[in-house]
This record gives sequence, structure tokens and C-alpha cells, in this order.
Amino acid sequence: DSGVTQTPKHLITATGQRVTLRCSPRSGDLSVYWYQQSLDQGLQFLIQYYNGEERAKGNILERFSAQQFPDLHSELNLSSLELGDSALYFCASSVAGQGKETQYFGPGTRLLVL
Amino acid sequence: GESVGLHLPTLSVQEGDNSIINCAYSNSASDYFIWYKQESGKGPQFIIDIRSNMDKRQGQRVTVLLNKTVKHLSLQIAATQPGDSAVYFCAENGSGYALNFGKGTSLLVTP
Repeated sequence: DSGVTQTPKHLITATGQRVTLRCSPRSGDLSVYWYQQSLDQGLQFLIQYYNGEERAKGNILERFSAQQFPDLHSELNLSSLELGDSALYFCASSVAGQGKETQYFGPGTRLLVL
Repeated sequence: GESVGLHLPTLSVQEGDNSIINCAYSNSASDYFIWYKQESGKGPQFIIDIRSNMDKRQGQRVTVLLNKTVKHLSLQIAATQPGDSAVYFCAENGSGYALNFGKGTSLLVTP
């Protein structure tokens, strides 16, 4: 158990809908990262937050957004969902959000868009 | 390049043998490297990491080797056990904060 929690574990929804994924980092970690894992693209970095502020952006679509709250939990919002958004979404956390530290991953949310 | 899933490179080893999983990276600015193990239905699990000022680092039954000259990283698992069966990813930090993941290698340990 990495100490990172994610809810829900599974999510099934329809095209055009909006969903929110939730992540709680390890105790003491200030930075949260979101990754998408699909069969054809592997693990892709989406976005990073550090202590409530956006720090880095990766291949995140404009239909997706995220935020980190004062209690350091984070939410990833996916809107106008398309079939191709079906994937595993992972949250990871690290202590200081620097590039040379271990990121610990949560168990993921499996999203299926029908 | 190869994709995860149907086209994932697979390494099959016998229980008790040593395993070597290789990874190539392209960004010469990368200075932090990490190996993760991912079992089916679970998130990536940290195995071992290494910084660019080192060539070798050892953990419990695992060793990571870094060759910066040829931009190559390897993970050696000693006395491979059935519980080691999983997909293994290397990742590097590039020039930023996020990790860039390789496509992964599936390790299958046979009795």
C-alpha cells in the first residue's frame, strides 16, 4: 500500500458526460501528479500540483481540468467524455514536487466511456 | 515504438534465475531514473531509483545499472520468484518535474 488513495475504483459513464476523480496523497506529501494509462499510449503525464498551485502540465486535454485543495487532496475533472478517454487514471504524490524524488502511485481509477 | 498491452515486450524466465530488464532513454538532460513494477489491476509500485551521478545502485534482490554514455538503464532481479511476474516500467525525469515512462516490459516467471 503506497498510502495514496483514489476514488472511485471503477467508473462507467456515457459519451458527453462529466466525471470527477479524487485523490488523496500520502501523509506529508505536498505534490500530486495525474497520469493516464491507456493500452496504446502507455503512462502519460497529465498535470502536477504542488501545495495547491499548478506546477507542470503535460498532455492534458482542454476538456480535462484539475485542482488541489487546501487539505492537499486533488480532483481531476473530465468533461465531454469520448470513447477514447477510456483508460486508467493514476494519481501519484511526492514530498516536494521536485524532479528527483520518488513518486508514489495510487491504485487508479478505471474509467470506461460507453 | 512498441505499445503497452498486446505488443508489450515479454521476458520469460525460470523461477530462481536472474532477470535483466533493459530500458533506453533519449533525453541526455535526464538526471533521475526510477523503476516501477505494475501488477495487473494495480498502480505502479516503486522498486528502486538512481541519480545520474551514480552508475549502480542495489536494493533487496534488485540492482539498477545506469550507462549515461549510451543512455541505457537496466534492472536486474536476482533469484526471480513467481511474485515478480508483472510489467516493469522505467521512467526518467527529463528536464522537468514529471516522469516520462517507457512502454514497459512484461516479466513472466515460470516454475
